Amino acid sequence: QKEVEQDPGPLSVPEGAIVSLNCTYSNSAFQYFMWYRQYSRKGPELLMYTYSSGNKEDGRFTAQVDKSSKYISLFIRDSQPSDSATYLCAMGLDTGGFKTIFGAGTRLFVKA
Amino acid sequence: ETGVTQTPRHLVMGMTNKKSLKCEQHLGHNAMYWYKQSAKKPLELMFVYSLEERVENNSVPSRFSPECPNSSHLFLHLHTLQPEDSALYLCASSQRGGGVGYTFGSGTRLTVV
Repeated sequence: QKEVEQDPGPLSVPEGAIVSLNCTYSNSAFQYFMWYRQYSRKGPELLMYTYSSGNKEDGRFTAQVDKSSKYISLFIRDSQPSDSATYLCAMGLDTGGFKTIFGAGTRLFVKA
Repeated sequence: ETGVTQTPRHLVMGMTNKKSLKCEQHLGHNAMYWYKQSAKKPLELMFVYSLEERVENNSVPSRFSPECPNSSHLFLHLHTLQPEDSALYLCASSQRGGGVGYTFGSGTRLTVV
């Protein structure tokens, strides 16, 4: 079993839709949960992070962690064509740490 | 210049060539990383340097050789690569003991012919 599972997509939605991106994981020791966004021909950039369980909101983005189910989600409200990118989940044991494990990334297309 | 800068952006090399990838970070971070990104696969951690000391080598073939001369610069020396080594090579930096996550460079797209 992979440590982190993420559906690679692609996921195609119309502009304005609510997008849900998800990852499951197997290591219950993970404490930090991150979402990176990667545009074409660019490196990933940190979008959001949460510590332990719960929700975190930043504008149109909401990150959710359910440690009991080992399941994390990223919701994008009122999706825009500029949100078209690959979204990678990542999780680790400590901040800025060595043991960060990434998902394969979900390719998202938002159609105008 | 700020952030993490990688050069070159694109590289095509033959299997008998020797080349080097360069990474420079201007963030004052104390750890630097090389990752390999292949299509539809998770990022693969190759090497980790903390305070210029290599702290992790993730079973990477010896045809990849890292070098970290100081806390701001990281190199990946390549020789006698195989076609399956074609991928996007990403450099990242982070601050251990503070801050969350990595700052990545834009990567070097490597094609081995």
